[in-house]
Amino acid sequence: AQSVTQLGSHVSVSEGALVLLRCNYSSSVPPYLFWYVQYPNQGLQLLLKYTSAATLVKGINGFEAEFKKSETSFHLTKPSAHMSDAAEYFCAVSEAGSNYKLTFGKGTLLTVNP
Amino acid sequence: NAGVTQTPKFRVLKTGQSMTLLCAQDMNHEYMYWYRQDPGMGLRLIHYSVGEGTTAKGEVPDGYNVSRLKKQNFLLGLESAAPSQTSVYFCASMDSNQPQHFGDGTRLSIL
Repeated sequence: AQSVTQLGSHVSVSEGALVLLRCNYSSSVPPYLFWYVQYPNQGLQLLLKYTSAATLVKGINGFEAEFKKSETSFHLTKPSAHMSDAAEYFCAVSEAGSNYKLTFGKGTLLTVNP
Repeated sequence: NAGVTQTPKFRVLKTGQSMTLLCAQDMNHEYMYWYRQDPGMGLRLIHYSVGEGTTAKGEVPDGYNVSRLKKQNFLLGLESAAPSQTSVYFCASMDSNQPQHFGDGTRLSIL
């Protein structure tokens, strides 16, 4: 069974600092990987996805993630944090042939300090 | 362009009452999903559907039923609500090889 681990339930950075949110997955077959963002009292919005093309994936709002098969990781980064990046971030995995069902990590709450 | 619309947005129930949550999508998507979100737990899949007239169980299906009589609608029912079902419920839809699109959620409290 696939699983997703997000290291750190809460990450705090200063405005302008590097954002690094960690995600590790376990999957028996090559997975599809996603990062979603959730702002307060809203649904989830897709940031980016990996679907076996380029290992470095660029998303919206300046975020990117790198798929590393050897480390079973898909960490999310942004070079310079903005106040508007404060939100909860979820990593999710879907296995081929699973009817696109998503398994989510428990989420990481990002706080950006002025 | 509404996308995925969930009704109602908020609801308070008493233990033992029943209710139905409605998810409607206007994107002609084949696949639809119901998740629940609890603090510190992420989102967990309750039930899903791969097309009109089909339903299947997800990770946490107990206490819930679903129906997909029309392609655009996916209903989630609670026959006898329990306090453990207090949660935020999200519906999502998608087409093959595309990401899931999420609604804004239904906040459900059961007293």
